[in-house]
This record gives sequence, C-alpha cells and structure tokens, in this order.
Amino acid sequence: DGGITQSPKYLFRKEGQNVTLSCEQNLNHDAMYWYRQDPGQGLRLIYYSQIVNDFQKGDIAEGYSVSREKKESFPLTVTSAQKNPTAFYLCATAPGRGYEQYFGPGTRLTVT
Amino acid sequence: AQTVTQSQPEMSVQEAETVTLSCTYDTSENNYYLFWYKQPPSRQMILVIRQEAYKQQNATENRFSVNFQKAAKSFSLKISDSQLGDTAMYFCAFGVNTGNQFYFGTGTSLTVIP
Repeated sequence: DGGITQSPKYLFRKEGQNVTLSCEQNLNHDAMYWYRQDPGQGLRLIYYSQIVNDFQKGDIAEGYSVSREKKESFPLTVTSAQKNPTAFYLCATAPGRGYEQYFGPGTRLTVT
Repeated sequence: AQTVTQSQPEMSVQEAETVTLSCTYDTSENNYYLFWYKQPPSRQMILVIRQEAYKQQNATENRFSVNFQKAAKSFSLKISDSQLGDTAMYFCAFGVNTGNQFYFGTGTSLTVIP
C-alpha cells in the first residue's frame, strides 16, 4: 500500500519543548517537502530535500530543522526558537521536477 | 519572484450548477506546470487537475476543466454539475522545471449549497 504517512495526527506540547514530526513515504520519490498551513493563508514552505543528505531552506525555515538520512524519511523538528509553532503541518513528496506533489494527511501541532 | 494570486477568498454555488474559480500567477519562467488542489474538511490535499504550460489545449478531468491563458498568466478552474462533495478549499499552484519548489495561492473556500 503506497503512500505518505505522517504521525501523529494531533500533537500537543508545552512551550519551550522541541518536538519532531514524522513523515515517511514508500513511493520511492526523490523530493520531499514540509509546509505549514495557518488559517486564511496558503501553504508556506519550510524546508525541502531533493536527495538524501541534502536539504534547502524554504520561505519560513527559522525555528525549524530537518534531516534526510534515508530516502523514505524526512522528519521535521519544531524547536523552542519557533515563535508561533501552533499550526497544521503537511509533508509532501514528488518524483522529480515538473511533477505534482503528493501530500500526507498532516499533523496538527498545538503548543501551549 | 514567483507569485500566485487567488482573489476570491470564498464562493458558493447551488448543487448541479457551474462555478469558476480564478487564479493568476506571475513568473519569468517559460517552462512550468500549473495545478489545482482540493482540500476538503479532512484537510487531505488532493490533486484535481494539472496543466503543462507548453500545451495550448486546456486540461479536463471529468467535471473539472481549466481555462489556461498563458499570455494573461491566468489559470481558472471550472467545476460543472457541482456536487456536495465539492465543498472544500481549492488551491492554485505552479512549479517550474528549473527548480523544485511549488508556489501556492491563499485558497478559495467553495461551498456547494443543496
């Protein structure tokens, strides 16, 4: 059963704690992406990776970190430096340039 | 800079009627792809339709079709015979061949009224 999984669906953390969001894919896609979605706004790119052990900052990378040690996995860490971490986070993959992106189900992060 | 503009934050349509969602974009690239995504209340992003910029023929996918005007940098989505399940947020997006990023609009919230 091919697809993209994000876990957990809902995540609650206290302010000041780092938290890691999981994204796993078995589509054999090279590119992976992390987006943040806030009410009334579109998707904003946090980080993306084209190949293993390489990734680039997106438009709103401050306060976030990623790793790409395996092709299948692209975890996102929301650090305590992120001023407003409460949001809906979407992971996506793509087979390459010029192709549509495929999205996971998302993780709703609430920090109090 | 690449930008995508959706000027209609909210729209509504009667069931079985037709509705058109607008999208304009700005890019200096010549080779790019355009997409419409649907995000229902479940928040799962679903690809609705795709258009290659080099193709003059407008893409169609069942009840969904686009009106692609390259010179005007316009890419509208037409939904025919609207169904209750079409109620969702719709995002216009494009990606360029020379890069790996996508650029999304801010979305149009569509409600289909029974």
